[in-house]
Amino acid sequence: DAGVIQSPRHEVTEMGQEVTLRCKPISGHNSLFWYRQTMMRGLELLIYFNNNVPIDDSGMPEDRFSAKMPNASFSTLKIQPSEPRDSAVYFCASSLAGGGNTEAFFGQGTRLTVV
Amino acid sequence: QQPVQSPQAVILREGEDAVINCSSSKALYSVHWYRQKHGEAPVFLMILLKGGEQKGHDKISASFNEKKQQSSLYLTASQLSYSGTYFCGTPRDDKIIFGKGTRLHILP
Repeated sequence: DAGVIQSPRHEVTEMGQEVTLRCKPISGHNSLFWYRQTMMRGLELLIYFNNNVPIDDSGMPEDRFSAKMPNASFSTLKIQPSEPRDSAVYFCASSLAGGGNTEAFFGQGTRLTVV
Repeated sequence: QQPVQSPQAVILREGEDAVINCSSSKALYSVHWYRQKHGEAPVFLMILLKGGEQKGHDKISASFNEKKQQSSLYLTASQLSYSGTYFCGTPRDDKIIFGKGTRLHILP
């Protein structure tokens, strides 16, 4: 398996624009996580899906953020409208099962810069 | 709810040992450890599932004290390749919450 695949790797956008980040989890994995990483806050969990269903979105910072998982092999994280403070590295991770007791595999991340 | 890691940063010379600690204010049922090199994704090192468990591979090992709600990662005879940021993660309601990380820099 190629691992967790994220696209794009880098995104530079202007404030106010819509941004869509994409993730393909490892085939067979039932859990998918979106994390945001900044120097100040470290790795923050934004949302967690299990079997394509959003289980916990309490980490989503504002209504400007939304995430979907239409099928087992694809998820998106959308920011609309984007703001400079959204600049960060966004990671998608998947694991075989929920419960937090199985290894999480991370994608290479999307570095987002909002100017 | 985020686990607390200490120290925040460590600088070592090659061959020296290091200990990274992770503690939680809430009950710990298992602990994950990951390493992230600069500009890369976090990579899984190990998971400890039971109190009293100790695990290791190569010269990196970890222990888990369930009663004390803490875990420690031990790096023995550090190599240049050990440089990076180490994160502990604790499961909360089926998801993994990470500490802020410990930056480890190994000097030749």
